[in-house]
Amino acid sequence: AQKVTQAQTEISVVEKEDVTLDCVYETRDTTYYLFWYKQPPSGELVFLIRRNSFDEQNEISGRYSWNFQKSTSSFNFTITASQVVDSAVYFCALSGVVTGGGNKLTFGTGTQLKVEL
Amino acid sequence: DTEVTQTPKHLVMGMTNKKSLKCEQHMGHRAMYWYKQKAKKPPELMFVYSYEKLSINESVPSRFSPECPNSSLLNLHLHALQPEDSALYLCASSQGSSGRAGDNEQFFGPGTRLTVL
Repeated sequence: AQKVTQAQTEISVVEKEDVTLDCVYETRDTTYYLFWYKQPPSGELVFLIRRNSFDEQNEISGRYSWNFQKSTSSFNFTITASQVVDSAVYFCALSGVVTGGGNKLTFGTGTQLKVEL
Repeated sequence: DTEVTQTPKHLVMGMTNKKSLKCEQHMGHRAMYWYKQKAKKPPELMFVYSYEKLSINESVPSRFSPECPNSSLLNLHLHALQPEDSALYLCASSQGSSGRAGDNEQFFGPGTRLTVL
């Protein structure tokens, strides 16, 4: 069975602070995929990043960076110099190998990020 | 174009009504999904269509009936719903073919906020 844990239910920061959202996963698959999605108050889930289990290279995209560590089964997400527009719920998700029948995402419970002025 | 559209944005219906939710994508994706999301919870998978065939049904009550008329369209027919079915209904799509690392990410629509009275 697959499981994703986002222990931080809610985080509040002041604008320009850096913030890290934690994600820990469990899977027995040797090949798997990890994702981060952002859900602003409007409701739409916005895809941010996919990381393959065989690629542990960290990634930076503007103010966003992701730290994937297989040894600790973690895929953490850092926002540098946070902005009010970053306020949203962030979901970490996990899926196994696509079999041609679509892939099932296992979501974490989400972290509500509030960025205040 | 990474857009998934959903109509309507909001829907209020009585328990005896019949209504339909619609989803459309023009990214050439072959897998499409319906999710249900309650407030402050992660999305829950309901159905997956792959190459226009139902591949996953997560034991959803029969008052929800999915339909995939063609590779771009996905409908969810609603009949005799209960107040507890009130939620945000999200549609998503992904490439859907087997094994390719770049095929996994799901792109979500803005959702339909359903209220059952």
